[in-house]
Amino acid sequence: DQQVKQNSPSLSVQEGRISILNCDYTNSMFDYFLWYKKYPAEGPTFLISISSIKDKNEDGRFTVFLNKSAKHLSLHIVPSQPGDSAVYFCAASRMKTSYDKVIFGPGTSLSVIP
Amino acid sequence: DVKVTQSSRYLVKRTGEKVFLECVQDMDHENMFWYRQDPGLGLRLIYFSYDVKMKEKGDIPEGYSVSREKKERFSLILESASTNQTSMYLCASSFQGRHTGELFFGEGSRLTVL
Repeated sequence: DQQVKQNSPSLSVQEGRISILNCDYTNSMFDYFLWYKKYPAEGPTFLISISSIKDKNEDGRFTVFLNKSAKHLSLHIVPSQPGDSAVYFCAASRMKTSYDKVIFGPGTSLSVIP
Repeated sequence: DVKVTQSSRYLVKRTGEKVFLECVQDMDHENMFWYRQDPGLGLRLIYFSYDVKMKEKGDIPEGYSVSREKKERFSLILESASTNQTSMYLCASSFQGRHTGELFFGEGSRLTVL
């Protein structure tokens, strides 16, 4: 049973427009939610995160929104650029004593069309 | 910059062979992880370690073992490779105690088992 879900396997957006990537989760005990970006033949890189006690975090063109009551978060990219074309993984983290258990969604492939 | 290095980018092995995947990180991270990435399934945790000689099973440990003899090095071992272990393997590391869920990934090792 997937605890972190990304229901859209792919998304295409015109350059300059907004990209909205969605993520749903089932476990209300998560402490942090994160987005990772992955280019082909490279490892994922951390993009942005949000604490479970916040509802919005912004970093440049990237904003993550968290709706705890709906167990839903979204990543907004404005404006979208061709270099944003990648697979985006939503992840949720639960704090343990010595480590954080991080669970990933299946990913959404974003294509930004010039 | 944090550097996580995986020894082999691409491997082709035959069914029944023993496979070693090596991972080294240079930032003195306590925690190290092995994930596999498969289309539609995201990243799934195989094993992790929060200290030298310590190891814990992740969500899909069957068919795998690990070794952590030094803090900077974490090895994944497939004792007898099978075709269903064809996948992208990703090593990651993190600071213990930060509890933000942020992981630093290597570039991945693409394993094909024939």
